[in-house]
Amino acid sequence: SQKIEQNSEALNIQEGKTATLTCNYTNYSPAYLQWYRQDPGRGPVFLLLIRENEKEKRKERLKVTFDTTLKQSLFHITASQPADSATYLCALGLHAGKSTFGDGTTLTVKP
Amino acid sequence: DAGVIQSPRHEVTEMGQEVTLRCKPISGHDYLFWYRQTMMRGLELLIYFNNNVPIDDSGMPEDRFSAKMPNASFSTLKIQPSEPRDSAVYFCASSLGTGTGNTIYFGEGSWLTVV
Repeated sequence: SQKIEQNSEALNIQEGKTATLTCNYTNYSPAYLQWYRQDPGRGPVFLLLIRENEKEKRKERLKVTFDTTLKQSLFHITASQPADSATYLCALGLHAGKSTFGDGTTLTVKP
Repeated sequence: DAGVIQSPRHEVTEMGQEVTLRCKPISGHDYLFWYRQTMMRGLELLIYFNNNVPIDDSGMPEDRFSAKMPNASFSTLKIQPSEPRDSAVYFCASSLGTGTGNTIYFGEGSWLTVV
């Protein structure tokens, strides 16, 4: 069956450290993968997109990798700050218009 | 642009009542999505439209749910009759489509409680 798994529901790290979130999938062949941030009571907000033929993408303190052989994406936040505390969702882009989301990982960055 | 606009933001209704959620997508976006989010099931795609035409409604839980998009700037999601298990946050979202890699822009959600 098709499945998207994000590592542990919650991740707690110390300010200044690098947060690494994982997204694993089975029985999908995504054309691209996206990461979103969701704050309590708000809708998800787009952060980064990586296509199937790309290995790595960066944006400021964010980095995402995509390994279609391992069927895995890693999302890194370097020099983490308490303001980075939120839930992060990965989404698989399956075809024109349609994306399927993981359940998310809640990150807490402690000062 | 004001972003995706949803109404109402919060609704509390009694079981059996009809619920209508409304959405105005970002102007110029070709795709409109309705998602539902719960603690148990996460973010689920209910239905999506392309150029006002429903493309995939396989996520609609049952016949009590219906969605329409009469024009490019308006969509509704209706639940009739509502049940307590329909309590969730319903998100409307829109995107430009494949040309930009399908970045999805979400509204702030409609928080539905059915008692």
